[in-house]
Parts: sequence; structure tokens; C-alpha cells
Amino acid sequence: QKEVEQDPGPLSVPEGAIVSLNCTYSNSAFQYFMWYRQYSRKGPELLMYTYSSGNKEDGRFTAQVDKSSKYISLFIRDSQPSDSATYLCAMSPVTAAGNKLTFGGGTRVLVKP
Amino acid sequence: SAVISQKPSRDICQRGTSLTIQCQVDSQVTMMFWYRQQPGQSLTLIATANQGSEATYESGFVIDKFPISRPNLTFSTLTVSNMSPEDSSIYLCSVGSSGDQPQHFGDGTRLSIL
Repeated sequence: QKEVEQDPGPLSVPEGAIVSLNCTYSNSAFQYFMWYRQYSRKGPELLMYTYSSGNKEDGRFTAQVDKSSKYISLFIRDSQPSDSATYLCAMSPVTAAGNKLTFGGGTRVLVKP
Repeated sequence: SAVISQKPSRDICQRGTSLTIQCQVDSQVTMMFWYRQQPGQSLTLIATANQGSEATYESGFVIDKFPISRPNLTFSTLTVSNMSPEDSSIYLCSVGSSGDQPQHFGDGTRLSIL
């Protein structure tokens, strides 16, 4: 069993819909949680970064962490065709800058005009 | 965030040869990492590039296959040695600048082995 599980998709939604993405994990030591967006032929781009449990909002993006359930989510409101990409969750047990990140397999999202 | 440049962006190589990938950052960073992203899969950490000392490798990765250098706080190289088709992957450099800030990635080197 992988340490971090993520549905590979593809997840297809109409423009303007809410995109809901999630990851589950098994290592209770994870404290730092990140969401990256990766366009084709590009490197991962950081979207959201949270520490421990709780919610964080940034524009159209909301990240949620439920450590008791070992479950994290990313919501994208008012989705646009430009949001079509692969979304990767990543986690670290200690400071995210200086430690190994463990990634989910990524969910491919397609937002249709 | 730091601007990270990787060279080459892509290459096609013959089996048995070696390729060195460069990662240049526009500012000094504390931590530099090398990840591999195999086709259709997620990112796996190869090693942490330590400035002035030997790199720290993850389980399943060895120095003879993936020698790494980090001569200063803005530059690192990863060499993929004695390549086989199984080494066909995207190799990504990431950097971390301070304790609570997340890592940022370069655009990667797309490597194909014939």
C-alpha cells in the first residue's frame, strides 16, 4: 500500500463547477501538507501549503486537512479551462523546506468550456 | 520564490552512456533535492544534495548510479550513469529556502534512453 493515495482521474468538470480533489495517507507523522499543480511538460507549481489540521483559503482555492481521518482536500471554485492540469498532493513529517516530500500519484483534471 | 533553471530541458541518449543535469538557482538556498518522475507516476526523491558534503540518498538509489555534486548554495548537478531504458524519466530539481517554506521545483529534464 502506498503511503499517500490519490485517485488518478481523469476528473472532468464543466467550466464554472467546483473541482474537489483529495488524498488519504497512512503516516500519522505527516504535519505539512501541500498541493502542487503540474501542467504538461512543466514542473510542479505550488498552490497551497498548510500545517497540521484546518482550512486555508487563497482566492479560488481552499485546502482542508483532517489529521484525525488522515485526509486532505483541495477545492477549486469557479473552475476555468486553464485549471486543466494534474494536481499532486505532497506531505512531510517535519519542515517542508528541508525534508523529503512524499507525493500522491496525482489527479488529472479537465475543465471543459 | 526562487527561479530554478534546469539544463538540458530534454535529451535522448544511448544506453550505456551518462548524462549530467544541471540545476541553477537565482538565489542562495539551504536545501536542494533531486526527484524522479517516471512515466505516468508521481515524484520520488532520489537524494538530498548537501553543500560541501556527500549527498544523502533515499532507499533504492545509489551514488554510483546517480552521483550528485553541490559546490555552492546556488548550483547542483545530477548525473545519470550507465543509462538503460528504465532510466527514461523526468528528473526534477527542487529547492527549500527556510524551515517552514515549501519546496519549489524546476521544470525538469525529460530523458529518453534508446
